[in-house]
Amino acid sequence: AQSVTQPDIHITVSEGASLELRCNYSYGATPYLFWYVQSPGQGLQLLLKYFSGDTLVQGIKGFEAEFKRSQSSFNLRKPSVHWSDAAEYFCAVGGTNSGYSTLTFGKGTMLLVSP
Amino acid sequence: DAGVTQSPTHLIKTRGQQVTLRCSPKSGHDTVSWYQQALGQGPQFIFQYYEEEERQRGNFPDRFSGHQFPNYSSELNVNALLLGDSALYLCASSLFSGTWEQYFGPGTRLTVT
Repeated sequence: AQSVTQPDIHITVSEGASLELRCNYSYGATPYLFWYVQSPGQGLQLLLKYFSGDTLVQGIKGFEAEFKRSQSSFNLRKPSVHWSDAAEYFCAVGGTNSGYSTLTFGKGTMLLVSP
Repeated sequence: DAGVTQSPTHLIKTRGQQVTLRCSPKSGHDTVSWYQQALGQGPQFIFQYYEEEERQRGNFPDRFSGHQFPNYSSELNVNALLLGDSALYLCASSLFSGTWEQYFGPGTRLTVT
């Protein structure tokens, strides 16, 4: 069964500083990997996705993530955090079961941005 | 182009009651998935509908059921509500041929008292 671990429940970053959110996954085959962001009272917005190819993927809002198969990781990065980035971030892995896709999410990391 | 819409926004029910939540997918999408997000947790997959049939189901009891209509909209029904059913229920729509790209609605906040 597929699973996702986000080891950091909360992270506080100063505005303008760099950010890295960690994600480790467990999946038997080549995974499809995603990062979503959720602002308070909102649904999930897709930041970026990895299906295959280049292991460094670019997303919206200046985010990027790097797939490292050897470490089963898909960490999210941003070089300079803005106050508007404060939100909860979810890593997810996509897998197929009987030919139909499902998403398995981690428990999320809450990002706090200090002035 | 409207994205995924869900109704109602908030709902308060009593234990033992039944509830129906509704979802309209993004224009052009034919697949609807439902997720339950408990407080402080990530979303958990409930089930997925395509061509008006339940195609995939997560680890949820039969009290959770659903329906998809010919216009691709969907309903989630929960019977015999428990306090533990209190959560944000998220609907996601996608194209069956590209189901990996799931677009989420704002969710319905269900509180069971």
